[in-house]
Amino acid sequence: KAGVTQTPRYLIKTRGQQVTLSCSPISGHRSVSWYQQTPGQGLQFLFEYFSETQRNKGNFPGRFSGRQFSNSRSEMNVSTLELGDSALYLCASSLEQNEQFFGPGTRLTVL
Amino acid sequence: KQEVTQIPAALSVPEGENLVLNCSFTDSAIYNLQWFRQDPGKGLTSLLLIQSSQREQTSGRLNASLDKSSGRSTLYIAASQPGDSATYLCAVSKGTYKYIFGTGTRLKVLA
Repeated sequence: KAGVTQTPRYLIKTRGQQVTLSCSPISGHRSVSWYQQTPGQGLQFLFEYFSETQRNKGNFPGRFSGRQFSNSRSEMNVSTLELGDSALYLCASSLEQNEQFFGPGTRLTVL
Repeated sequence: KQEVTQIPAALSVPEGENLVLNCSFTDSAIYNLQWFRQDPGKGLTSLLLIQSSQREQTSGRLNASLDKSSGRSTLYIAASQPGDSATYLCAVSKGTYKYIFGTGTRLKVLA
C-alpha cells in the first residue's frame, strides 16, 4: 500500500507570494492533518480535515488555509508569505481514532 | 493547555547499549500516545501507538509504556544499533486528531 505523498518536496518563494502544498493520504484514510516544523517551535498542528470538513484548527493566522477533496487529497495554502513561514510542512493521514502516518514533507524556503 | 516534554534532549551511547527515552505530559486526559522517529530532513516514521486503555506496546527491539496517572511514557530500545540514530518524538492526542508533540530526543548510537 502506498504511503502518504506530498508535493512538491521543495519550494523557494519570496515574501508576499502565496504557495499551495498538496498531500495524498494512504488509500482508505479519510483524515488528513497538517503540521509545521521549525527548529525554534518544533512540530505544531495546523489543521485537520475529515470528509472535506475542517474538524480542528491550530493557532495559526488566517493566512494559512486548507481544504480537502472528495478523494481525501488535501491542499494547504499560505498567502502573503513571511520569512518566518520557512519550515518543513508535514501532512499525516489516519483512519478514525488511530495511528497517524506521515509523508516526507515539503521544505518551504521564503526569501 | 497540554505540554509535552522529552528528556534528555540529546543522548549519545555506544552500540549495544539498552536505553530509555522519556516523555512527560501535563494533561492526563489523553486518547492516544504515539512514538515516532525522524531522520534529518525527513518525515516522521511511526514506531508505536499506545491507546489510553493500554499500558504498553512492543515492536521488535522497541517497547513503549504509558502511565496516564503520572503523565509519563517511556520508550525502551534494546541492543541499540547505529541505524537507530535519529530524533525520537512523542505525541499525545485527546482524540481530536490534534496531536501535541514533544521537542524530541536526538539519539546518536556510536559504532
